[in-house]
Amino acid sequence: AQTVTQSQPEMSVQEAETVTLSCTYDTSESNYYLFWYKQPPSRQMILVIRQEAYKQQNATENRFSVNFQKAAKSFSLKISDSQLGDTAMYFCAFMGWNSGNTPLVFGKGTRLSVIA
Amino acid sequence: EAQVTQNPRYLITVTGKKLTVTCSQNMNHEYMSWYRQDPGLGLRQIYYSMNVEVTDKGDVPEGYKVSRKEKRNFPLILESPSPNQTSLYFCASSLSPGGEQYFGPGTRLTVT
Repeated sequence: AQTVTQSQPEMSVQEAETVTLSCTYDTSESNYYLFWYKQPPSRQMILVIRQEAYKQQNATENRFSVNFQKAAKSFSLKISDSQLGDTAMYFCAFMGWNSGNTPLVFGKGTRLSVIA
Repeated sequence: EAQVTQNPRYLITVTGKKLTVTCSQNMNHEYMSWYRQDPGLGLRQIYYSMNVEVTDKGDVPEGYKVSRKEKRNFPLILESPSPNQTSLYFCASSLSPGGEQYFGPGTRLTVT
């Protein structure tokens, strides 16, 4: 079974600084998707960024970028120019795609606090 | 507005009293799923559905049932709720399994 590990339960960063959230996963599949979701205090789950494993280029969405290392099974999220609104719980998630019957697997989350 | 709706948003019930949490999406998505979120455990998938009349178990299906009679609706049924099902529940949908999943606002369920 696939597992997703987020080794940092909590992190903090100063406003305008850069922070990196770690995520590692374990799978024997060759084709899959990886995601980062943000959950602010409102509890809404918001997709931050998505990466297809067959793409070597790291995904980027404005201030958010990933460092995808397929061989190391690592998928870290970098947030540049941190803003107070980035304060939230961040979840890394994995979904295999071989037969289409693989559930989405989430890590336990990293609570990020952006400090003014 | 494209959205996933869940009802009710909050529910307090007693052990053994059957309940249904509804989920509806207006985006013509084929893929829908249910998750529960517990402190320190993240989100875990309960059931998912690839299309109408096609459902499958996720990681924690025990104590839950689902149905997918229509494309837009995917209700979660607890036939005999127990206190260990107290949790925050999310419904999600996407055009395809690997696509962006749109989450509902969540349902906070307390079973006493």
